[in-house]
Amino acid sequence: EVQLVETGGGLIQPGGSLRLSCVTSGFTGTTNYMSWVRQAPGKGLDWVSVIYSGGSTYYADSVKGRFTISRDNSKNTLYLHMNSLRAEDTAVYYCARGTTDWDAFDLWGQGTMVTVSS
Amino acid sequence: DIQMTQSPSSLSASVGDRVTITCRASQGIRTSLAWYQQKPEKAPKLLIYGASTLQSGVPSRFSGTGSGTDFTLTISSLQPEDVATYYCQKYNSDPLTFGGGTKVEIK
Repeated sequence: EVQLVETGGGLIQPGGSLRLSCVTSGFTGTTNYMSWVRQAPGKGLDWVSVIYSGGSTYYADSVKGRFTISRDNSKNTLYLHMNSLRAEDTAVYYCARGTTDWDAFDLWGQGTMVTVSS
Repeated sequence: DIQMTQSPSSLSASVGDRVTITCRASQGIRTSLAWYQQKPEKAPKLLIYGASTLQSGVPSRFSGTGSGTDFTLTISSLQPEDVATYYCQKYNSDPLTFGGGTKVEIK
């Protein structure tokens, strides 16, 4: 089955760090571009970061310098390393796949909740 | 950065009605525009890409038009299962911005 499964969410104090994982299955992830999108409670979709098939990465201004996207093709896993977490980072984090670079996201995971609170 | 503005932010229509949602880009994005449907507590689902191409498996009552800066998503005959929030997204350049969303309800 073609799917994305995110893990790693939880409750973390402000200033803390967390690593999210997104395991891909049913397809070879190396030729896809992958992204993280988040959704704060009751709010809309907020694009966070992307990694292209060639390895280039880009970030939303709100997370630049604090978050790092990476991928381990041998493990079919996408990561989001989050540092210096703030209350406003509280959200459900989704990973999403584009079939080719600069494409729409045709496959999404179920999401993992990150709560930043003391 | 290019901003994506959706309207209306919410609407209520009767079953069988024709529903139109608009999305405007602050600069031209050709046809690099996608529409997603998100039902409560669920992940988004791709409906349309390339501004007008229906994703496989999506009912034909959904359609998209537009290019450049102005885009529309139309539901030709609203069904109860279409209750959801709809988002547009540009993907021609970073950041891959989403519109603010349009919540569709049944009257």
